[in-house]
Amino acid sequence: GQQLNQSPQSMFIQEGEDVSMNCTSSSIFNTWLWYKQDPGEGPVLLIALYKAGELTSNGRLTAQFGITRKDGFLNISASIPSDVGIYFCAGQKGDMRFGAGTRLTVKP
Amino acid sequence: DTGVSQNPRHKITKRGQNVTFRCDPISEHNRLYWYRQTLGQGPEFLTYFQNEAQLEKSRLLSDRFSAERPKGSFSTLEIQRTEQGDSAMYLCASSGVGATNEKLFFGSGTQLSVL
Repeated sequence: GQQLNQSPQSMFIQEGEDVSMNCTSSSIFNTWLWYKQDPGEGPVLLIALYKAGELTSNGRLTAQFGITRKDGFLNISASIPSDVGIYFCAGQKGDMRFGAGTRLTVKP
Repeated sequence: DTGVSQNPRHKITKRGQNVTFRCDPISEHNRLYWYRQTLGQGPEFLTYFQNEAQLEKSRLLSDRFSAERPKGSFSTLEIQRTEQGDSAMYLCASSGVGATNEKLFFGSGTQLSVL
């Protein structure tokens, strides 16, 4: 079963708003990642973090790996309609485990 | 295209039949993973290979599930005597080795429907 607890389960926002989602676990991971999945497709990697406390940005995305290596957050600034999809956190130590996802809907 | 390729994209089968899915990883990646994803859930790890060696298979869902990667390149996932509960998306991913090379890159998946 899932070892990562992701919240919120879903978000409905207006275009232009900022988005924040997070993920916690009882397990320690070496690598923390965020993926986005569109319907009928595999997950696509957005950001990977390797160091405890690491904060990194990729365009409008900002993510941080928790200092305990058990949690992380993802922020999306100034959302646009193509941000719609399901966002998954993932932790890797050997194999990779995924959260249940945050479903994002952006209203134009 | 040099991404992860999965075939077929969709498979409809009758309960009790055997099915086999194929995955071609990114050519320079030596790790290959299989995941299963059901509606409303994240991908669930099944097994992975490093080159031709299957390093973890304890999470395969039952003894009806098996995976091979005979030459360390493409891989197949077989489900024998399919059941309706096997209906899901089966995802393959590949990665390199090393601290910053272990990011998984996924294929588009094979959607299995067992009638």
